[in-house]
Amino acid sequence: GENVEQHPSTLSVQEGDSAVIKCTYSDSASNYFPWYKQELGKGPQLIIDIRSNVGEKKDQRIAVTLNKTAKHFSLHITETQPEDSAVYFCAASSTGGFKTIFGAGTRLFVKA
Amino acid sequence: DSGVTQTPKHLITATGQRVTLRCSPRSGDLSVYWYQQSLDQGLQFLIQYYNGEERAKGNILERFSAQQFPDLHSELNLSSLELGDSALYFCASSRTSASTDTQYFGPGTRLTVL
Repeated sequence: GENVEQHPSTLSVQEGDSAVIKCTYSDSASNYFPWYKQELGKGPQLIIDIRSNVGEKKDQRIAVTLNKTAKHFSLHITETQPEDSAVYFCAASSTGGFKTIFGAGTRLFVKA
Repeated sequence: DSGVTQTPKHLITATGQRVTLRCSPRSGDLSVYWYQQSLDQGLQFLIQYYNGEERAKGNILERFSAQQFPDLHSELNLSSLELGDSALYFCASSRTSASTDTQYFGPGTRLTVL
């Protein structure tokens, strides 16, 4: 069945460094890839998304890249800050599909 | 604030009991999704409703059921509760029924079964 693998499961970086989280999907029909940030005790919040007609999208310190041939997409956070510490989830879905598949999550720690 | 509301925030109950979780979607959203998140786990899709009708089903147990009402709010009913049902339950909403439509999540209900 459809699957989204997310790596790493835990990531620790120093404040100011960059963080990269990678996801691989199995359904070649997938064409929508959102990223969510979940802070402790809160629901997941959409931080950025990308559709398959573009290869990269940027929003201030956050960027997402998509490689449809390799079926993987990545989240890049530059100049990390302590408030970036959270669990990040990638997800994939397809037009005509019936559900969104989420990765297992990456716990990001940003050390001050 | 996503605009999705969930009540109650916390729920503590005993094994064998039945509870109801409530969700109100964002204004204008017609789809409601329910997810279960166990401790340090990912998001497990349970069920989706669109404009009052069941649209898609995931890993939802037979002891669980849901419905969406004419005013578009949704309820998730959990019965014959077991210790393993303790988890965070999230509701999300989107504008349409399409799986490629952005989902906005509520703050969740933390269920503890003792």
